[in-house]
Amino acid sequence: EIVMTQSPATLSVSPGERATLSCRASQSVSSNLAWYQQKPGQAPRLLIYGASTRATGIPARFSGSGSGTEFTLTISSLQSEDFAVYYCQQYNNWPPLWAFGQGTKVEIK
Amino acid sequence: EVQLVESGGGLVQPGGSLRLSCAASGFTFSSYWMSWVRQAPGKGLEWVANIKQDGSEKYYVDSVKGRFTISRDNAKNSLYLQMNSLRAEDTAVYYCARFHRGMVRGPLLYWGQGTLVTVSS
Repeated sequence: EIVMTQSPATLSVSPGERATLSCRASQSVSSNLAWYQQKPGQAPRLLIYGASTRATGIPARFSGSGSGTEFTLTISSLQSEDFAVYYCQQYNNWPPLWAFGQGTKVEIK
Repeated sequence: EVQLVESGGGLVQPGGSLRLSCAASGFTFSSYWMSWVRQAPGKGLEWVANIKQDGSEKYYVDSVKGRFTISRDNAKNSLYLQMNSLRAEDTAVYYCARFHRGMVRGPLLYWGQGTLVTVSS
């Protein structure tokens, strides 16, 4: 079983500032890593897959990096609509028993 | 436009059963692996189950194995989750989700709005 660990649990950032979120896998997941954004009362939205590929319609201020066990989601200049909870998810192992990280809440400083 | 609409949630007593449904439209349902993901109140996302296009392969998180059954009816463009022996810890919003492409090794691109299951006496 692969365990995904996100840090920090909460990130306080001012609008316009940069936010850096981390995700660590308990064993290598290659680049099979996705990031999701979730706002209160809404379903999650796919932001990044393949560790670094933005999903359709996702603004360029969102970027992903990393491979193996260490991954980063960077939001270059936080907009008001970016304050939300972010989850990483691995989809590498077989059988396909997927796992999400526990989430990072990005809140207004 | 891809749409996933869950239904069937509600209040059920511990030990009871419930069957969730997900009606899919806007894509060729039979071409995609599908998934159920849940979220307990105030908690994070938890993957629950995956099912292959033809239903021949099914995978579950350990906590629901033997109690939940994922299934699909491609003729009806529908995904199901039969939940038996329900426990308080199964209380959550349950989301139906479709993989990005026709393979399970990929992200979940489309999500339904979720249906709330509450297990309580």
